[in-house]
Amino acid sequence: NAGVTQTPKFQVLKTGQSMTLQCAQDMNHEYMSWYRQDPGMGLRLIHYSVGAGITDQGEVPNGYNVSRSTTEDFPLRLLSAAPSQTSVYFCASSPRTSFVSPPKTGELFFGEGSRLTVL
Amino acid sequence: SQQGEEDPQALSIQEGENATMNCSYKTSINNLQWYRQNSGRGLVHLILIRSNEREKHSGRLRVTLDTSKKSSSLLITASRAADTASYFCATDGNQFYFGTGTSLTVIP
Repeated sequence: NAGVTQTPKFQVLKTGQSMTLQCAQDMNHEYMSWYRQDPGMGLRLIHYSVGAGITDQGEVPNGYNVSRSTTEDFPLRLLSAAPSQTSVYFCASSPRTSFVSPPKTGELFFGEGSRLTVL
Repeated sequence: SQQGEEDPQALSIQEGENATMNCSYKTSINNLQWYRQNSGRGLVHLILIRSNEREKHSGRLRVTLDTSKKSSSLLITASRAADTASYFCATDGNQFYFGTGTSLTVIP
């Protein structure tokens, strides 16, 4: 199995440009999420999804959009890139689900990251 | 912020010594997890401790959890140079929130 696949690995944008970071998982996980990692800040949750058609905001959602049309894919869109969005982005999925009783917990599986620079 | 905090931010030890990292968090949790990140890579899950557990072992790893103090610790025994990495705690409440990490350097 490929696990969690993120593309691209590296991207340079100019301020105001838009782009989409792709994330796909082949483990049939309901839960998917996006984090950004900045020096000294740890990982901060941008958006997450508990299943197809369901998305919600995390700690730092401004400037980012997500959608979840299928279980496998969870793209992250930057509509108008800003230098403050320069970061390393990680997608993660988990078998964790609240759709069963009792809720099933689980670990996060991470992609290898996408390094984004906004000039 | 929902994040926890790890302490210390950086730790340097000799190979064979034990390494202890602490995590404090703010919210109520279902479980707490520890992850490892090698430089330039994604995070890898190490161990999960449920909110009704106080201690858990896995190989050279020992995790404790004190929900009354909202704190956890990760002990790596008999450290190796290959343990050099950043270590993060993550709380699983309604979402997963990560701490700021401890950078561990193990000197051969």
